[in-house]
Order: sequence, then C-alpha cells, then structure tokens
Amino acid sequence: NAGVMQNPRHLVRRRGQEARLRCSPMKGHSHVYWYRQLPEEGLKFMVYLQKENIIDESGMPKERFSAEFPKEGPSILRIQQVVRGDSAAYFCASSGDLNSPLHFGNGTRLTVT
Amino acid sequence: DQQVKQNSPSLSVQEGRISILNCDYTNSMFDYFLWYKKYPAEGPTFLISISSIKDKNEDGRFTVFLNKSAKHLSLHIVPSQPGDSAVYFCAASPILDGNEKLTFGTGTRLTIIP
Repeated sequence: NAGVMQNPRHLVRRRGQEARLRCSPMKGHSHVYWYRQLPEEGLKFMVYLQKENIIDESGMPKERFSAEFPKEGPSILRIQQVVRGDSAAYFCASSGDLNSPLHFGNGTRLTVT
Repeated sequence: DQQVKQNSPSLSVQEGRISILNCDYTNSMFDYFLWYKKYPAEGPTFLISISSIKDKNEDGRFTVFLNKSAKHLSLHIVPSQPGDSAVYFCAASPILDGNEKLTFGTGTRLTIIP
C-alpha cells in the first residue's frame, strides 16, 4: 500500500516563474491537506481539500497560491510568480476520515533563486 | 503568535534511558493532541495522540501525558533507542475541526547517544 506520494522531491525556480507541486494521497483517502515548513519553523497549515472541493483554505496566502484536487489525478499546489520567500518544504498529507491521523508525504523542497 | 510551543530545540539522551519531550499550548480550544516524528528528508510520521478527555495514553515505548490545567503535554520514550534520534513535533487541533487544521510546534531534535 503506497504512502502519500509527492513529486518532485526538489524543485528549483527563478523568481517570477510558476511552481507546480503534485500529491497523490494514499489509496482510499479522500482528504488532502497541504502544509508548508519554513526553515527553523514548524509545519503550517495551508489548505484542506476533498475531491473537487476546497474545504478550508484559511492558511493559503491570498495571492499567487492556489490548490486543486480534481476528480481524477493528483492534488496540485500551484504557486505563480514565485518569490524568494516561497522557498520552503511543502508537505502533503492525506487521511481516510477526520478522525484518523494524517499520513504525510516526503515533501517537495522548493528553492527560488 | 505561536500557539504550540516546544521550548527545547534539542535534547540528548543516553541509550536505554528515558527521553522526555515537552510541549505547551495557549489555545484553550485545542482538544486533540498528537506527536509526530520526522527524519531528515522525510515527511512527519504519526506516533501517538491523546484527546482532552484523557490524561495519559500509552503505546509500547511511547506515552503521552496531558495536563489540561497547565496546558502542557509531554512525550515519554522509554527505553530510548538510537533509532529514536529524530525531530519530534507536537501538534494540536480543536476536535470540532477534526484533525485537518493541525497547529504544529517548532520541533525538538532528539539525539540518542549510544
């Protein structure tokens, strides 16, 4: 049973480019979450999605960031016009229901040069 | 505004002894608490959880204690093993929200000395 799969593991973008981070939840999981970890900090909640629905995006920056979880395919976290401050590790997690602990992927480390 | 605090960035413990990791929180709405363990270049792995209706939960070598009046929880690992060397994150959420919006502490790096 494959765990939460994130790709790419490492992503380098120049300022102003777009970054697309992908996440495939564990089999049978319909709840997907994105968290961001800045250097020397804990993980911070960004967005919670179910298939085709954004349930809670209260942790998402108001501009440049968007997330989707389509009916088919992985969840995508999209960052437009990246800036140096976007450099961080982005973790995706999934669960089968709200009472189950989150299972995290190994993250995508985004570096903006 | 750090609602979940882990005031010890690092901790070293001799193999076989007890490791005690501490966590304080400020939000009285938090009802559900979890500990995650993280190795370098990997995602956090769930270890153990506790809800506010309990003051202790045990799973093998891991025990979590919750003191609601002090807004404090701790993770005990006994006996400590070299494979326990990792960063440990405390996390919390209001149980009404389920666990999707976890608030994490900044982590404690545990090193087990052989």
